[in-house]
Amino acid sequence: GAVVSQHPSRVICKSGTSVKIECRSLDFQATTMFWYRQFPKQSLMLMATSNEGSKATYEQGVEKDKFLINHASLTLSTLTVTSAHPEDSSFYICSARDPRGNSPLHFGNGTRLTVT
Amino acid sequence: AQSVSQHNHHVILSEAASLELGCNYSYGGTVNLFWYVQYPGQHLQLLLKYFSGDPLVKGIKGFEAEFIKSKFSFNLRKPSVQWSDTAEYFCAVGGYNKLIFGAGTRLAVHP
Repeated sequence: GAVVSQHPSRVICKSGTSVKIECRSLDFQATTMFWYRQFPKQSLMLMATSNEGSKATYEQGVEKDKFLINHASLTLSTLTVTSAHPEDSSFYICSARDPRGNSPLHFGNGTRLTVT
Repeated sequence: AQSVSQHNHHVILSEAASLELGCNYSYGGTVNLFWYVQYPGQHLQLLLKYFSGDPLVKGIKGFEAEFIKSKFSFNLRKPSVQWSDTAEYFCAVGGYNKLIFGAGTRLAVHP
């Protein structure tokens, strides 16, 4: 079963509004979570690394004021797309790694954001 | 520059056909290689991974991949595909946390 839960799975919003996406680790504590973005027919691109209790680390070219990340607890990271525009429409996926043992990254189901 | 290239964007096969999906990478440092699969409507799942040791890696559901260092390749194979293998397959390279993904290959298996 899923060990990383992402919500909502789909969201449609109007231009200029903000949208929050949640990512939860279900049975482990994740000090670090990762946010990816996937454009149609393209690969997943890492946007930022979410660090519990400290500021997120953004990849080059990602606007930190537009994509606000909050990692307030060991099981929850949120990505807020502020003042959304149609070009922000995309598929957003979060991931986290269970620090126990030698496990790989677990991915959420993703969130399809459509900005009208 | 670090990158992953998957040569086939769409592959259509009949059941029982053999599968090989190409993956080439460009990456500095220690190479960790992964294949992920995304079934329709589901999340990404790990098929197999290579960190070190035997370059022929066995994964779940009969998949395997071979790391060929000289060719910078990590191709995914399955001798006989099933309809249930219809999915999108992603090759990825990187460190344990930060992964660089290929564009993905959409596989459709017809009964």
